[in-house]
Formats: sequence, C-alpha cells, structure tokens
Amino acid sequence: DTAVSQTPKYLVTQMGNDKSIKCEQNLGHDTMYWYKQDSKKFLKIMFSYNNKELIINETVPNRFSPKSPDKAHLNLHINSLELGDSAVYFCASSPGPAGGYTFGSGTRLTVV
Amino acid sequence: GENVEQHPSTLSVQEGDSAVIKCTYSDSASNYFPWYKQELGKRPQLIIDIRSNVGEKKDQRIAVTLNKTAKHFSLHITETQPEDSAVYFCAASKGSSYKLIFGSGTRLLVRP
Repeated sequence: DTAVSQTPKYLVTQMGNDKSIKCEQNLGHDTMYWYKQDSKKFLKIMFSYNNKELIINETVPNRFSPKSPDKAHLNLHINSLELGDSAVYFCASSPGPAGGYTFGSGTRLTVV
Repeated sequence: GENVEQHPSTLSVQEGDSAVIKCTYSDSASNYFPWYKQELGKRPQLIIDIRSNVGEKKDQRIAVTLNKTAKHFSLHITETQPEDSAVYFCAASKGSSYKLIFGSGTRLLVRP
C-alpha cells in the first residue's frame, strides 16, 4: 500500500508537447510538494500546497502549473515542453511545517 | 535566501570503516535537519533527523550531530556495509516554513 504514489513512472515526449504527472498520498498529510532532481542529483523545490492552497511557488517557468483538487492529490501540468525540462520529478508529502517528507517514487521525464 | 552546503561530494570507504558527511547552513533560524538516503533509481528516504534543541541523535549505526553555534551538522555511519552505498542528502528548514532546503548530495561508496 504505497504511501505516496506518482504516475507515470517514465515519460518520454517530444519538445512542444503538453504532459501531466499525477501524485496521490494516503498518509493523511496536509502538505504536498513537487521537487525537481536534475542530472547532478540536485533536489530543488518547485511548488507546495497545504490543504489545497498554494504556499510555495519558486522561480519556475509559468509553463509549469500545479493543481491540488484535494489535500491527498497534487498534479503537475507542463506546457510546451523543452529539452531542459528533462529530469526526475518527485512528489512528496509532510504532516506539516518542519516535518520529514515522504517522497513518491519519481517520474523520469525525457524530452526529445 | 537559505543555503545548505554539503561535503564531500563523493566518499569511498572500506567496508567496516566509518563515514562522515558534513553540512553547513546559512540561516540561523533553521531548526530542523533531516538526512535522506537515495539508492540508485529510487526515491529519497528519511533515515534520521534532528531538531535544534538536541545536540546529538543516534539510531543503531547512524548518528547525527548538530552544532548550532557553528551552524553545521554531520551524519556519522559506523561499521559501513556495501548496502550503505547511496547518495546521502542533508536538508534544513526553519520555524513554520514548509520548505526543506537540500544540500547537493554525497555519493557514498562502500568497498567490500
């Protein structure tokens, strides 16, 4: 029974396409996140939602749009994909501020 | 903004030896310091964390120490085993912040 699940696990798409990644958590956590891990393994926060409200919005191109229909779900839609968007995208959840994250298994996005 | 520096970037030890990874944070208001282990192709997983009201915490072969004055914290792994081989990330957050700032990661290789 996976705590934080992401789909799809792999995504290969052409430049210019639009794609979505879905995330669901069954831990009852109030807060969810999207992190991007680049080829050098650096983890950088993109967005965070707390009880469906956007609370963190880092310097991310506006081609990236998160949506949280309820506190157990956080999706990421990406428009007009570029080569530089290739990375592993991790969803995570936490019970609140200054709490440990539980990560999803990641989505490896490859833009060709 | 807050920054977390992590050293070394790679560390190779003989099985049975100890490994130490060090991190320095910039924001003196930081009060939560987790460590994550990421095996190849897997998600980052929380292995130990410490809060600023504690100087040291131990869990079997893993320990974390915190020096608030110097603003640095360290991960100590004793009696290393090949299955300890992974990338380790330190992170920091403060007060009511939901945001974890990650270090750049340390690739640990334990040689049998």
